[in-house]
Amino acid sequence: NAGVTQTPKFRILKIGQSMTLQCAQDMNHNYMYWYRQDPGMGLKLIYYSVGAGITDKGEVPNGYNVSRSTTEDFPLRLELAAPSQTSVYFCASRLAGADTQYFGPGTRLTVL
Amino acid sequence: QKEVEQNSGPLSVPEGAIASLNCTYSDRGSQSFFWYRQYSGKSPELIMSIYSNGDKEDGRFTAQLNKASQYVSLLIRDSQPSDSATYLCAVSRDQGGSYIPTFGRGTSLIVHP
Repeated sequence: NAGVTQTPKFRILKIGQSMTLQCAQDMNHNYMYWYRQDPGMGLKLIYYSVGAGITDKGEVPNGYNVSRSTTEDFPLRLELAAPSQTSVYFCASRLAGADTQYFGPGTRLTVL
Repeated sequence: QKEVEQNSGPLSVPEGAIASLNCTYSDRGSQSFFWYRQYSGKSPELIMSIYSNGDKEDGRFTAQLNKASQYVSLLIRDSQPSDSATYLCAVSRDQGGSYIPTFGRGTSLIVHP
């Protein structure tokens, strides 16, 4: 199993550009999550999904969109990038009924 | 607003000592409590979970929970330099089957030889 994979690892965007952060898991997990982590801070939940076709907002959803068309994939879309979106983005997944969230390696995004 | 508070540190301990990491939370309905370890530049990994009051031991790690005081801690015995990392506390409650954890900002631990 590859676990949770994220692409790209690094990206620099200009203000106003858009991009999609990719996340995939091969563990057949129902739950998937997107977090952002700013320097010296904990993880803030952006969006989560409890299964294909079902998504919901987390604590900091503004400026982002998600979709979940398959169990495996949970892409995060940034529209009109802003410097405030400079952060490290982590995707995670969890099997229903289990405790452990498995995190991907992260995407480091800089908006200039 | 659910809050999870941790001292950001750094907490510096000598090799072989006991490191004590603390966390308080505001949501009295919290049911599940977790400690994650995050090495610099890496993703978090779960090291302990605890659900009921008291202590839970796993190797060199002991998690302690006191729901009345809304307090959870992590003890690391015989600390090693490889334990140097940021430790994130997370709490959650069951929300209709969804598990939505709230994370603290983490405590940086430095174990020096």
